[in-house]
Amino acid sequence: NAGVMQNPRHLVRRRGQEARLRCSPVKGHSHVYWYRQLPEEGLKFMVYLQKENIIDESGMPKERFSAEFPKEGPSILRIQQVVRGDSAAYFCASSPRDRGSGNTIYFGEGSWLTVV
Amino acid sequence: GNSVTQMEGPVTLSEEAFLTINCTYTATGYPSLFWYVQYPGEGLQLLLKATKADDKGSNKGFEATYRKETTSFHLEKGSVQVSDSAVYFCALSEPRGGQNFVFGPGTRLSVLP
Repeated sequence: NAGVMQNPRHLVRRRGQEARLRCSPVKGHSHVYWYRQLPEEGLKFMVYLQKENIIDESGMPKERFSAEFPKEGPSILRIQQVVRGDSAAYFCASSPRDRGSGNTIYFGEGSWLTVV
Repeated sequence: GNSVTQMEGPVTLSEEAFLTINCTYTATGYPSLFWYVQYPGEGLQLLLKATKADDKGSNKGFEATYRKETTSFHLEKGSVQVSDSAVYFCALSEPRGGQNFVFGPGTRLSVLP
């Protein structure tokens, strides 16, 4: 991995609580992506952000989920009023430029959310 | 829309066996193609990539060749090791803005000693 830092690595929340997942991209990277991986399933794109802008949120559930990437500080994926179905691994990735043109994206080690 | 299809797993092999994991894609343009590997409890790591037709990506004994005519990017390794046990994801990205990385469903590989 090229230095994408995610925390917490593991998070347990009761139904109805809020979950906040943080992602610090590789130093110098201005593009951040969030993916969700359900147990025994592949990766599903959620959202793509640049500093202070949401570029593509076509994979985000319409309710309870939000993401931001402020000018200063890490990117935050926020899940309000969590339900058991939100239990998954959430991966952040970053790249130095636009995700096209063959640019590689680098993944963090993930945040595992368990809703009890 | 863009999509990636991979052979279904799990794939179970004995050590030193030959590995092939098939990957085919559908894309509107000329994508770049990637293989990522995920070890248990970890994030995805880039294994190899190819950015244009006929390019071959290689790393750690793994190889994949970008075949535009068959829209494929099959992953191969001549002699697998127990330490190769992981989930392998094929992915594509297109050069135009607005396209996200598209991942295949992943193929779990188990290598037995």
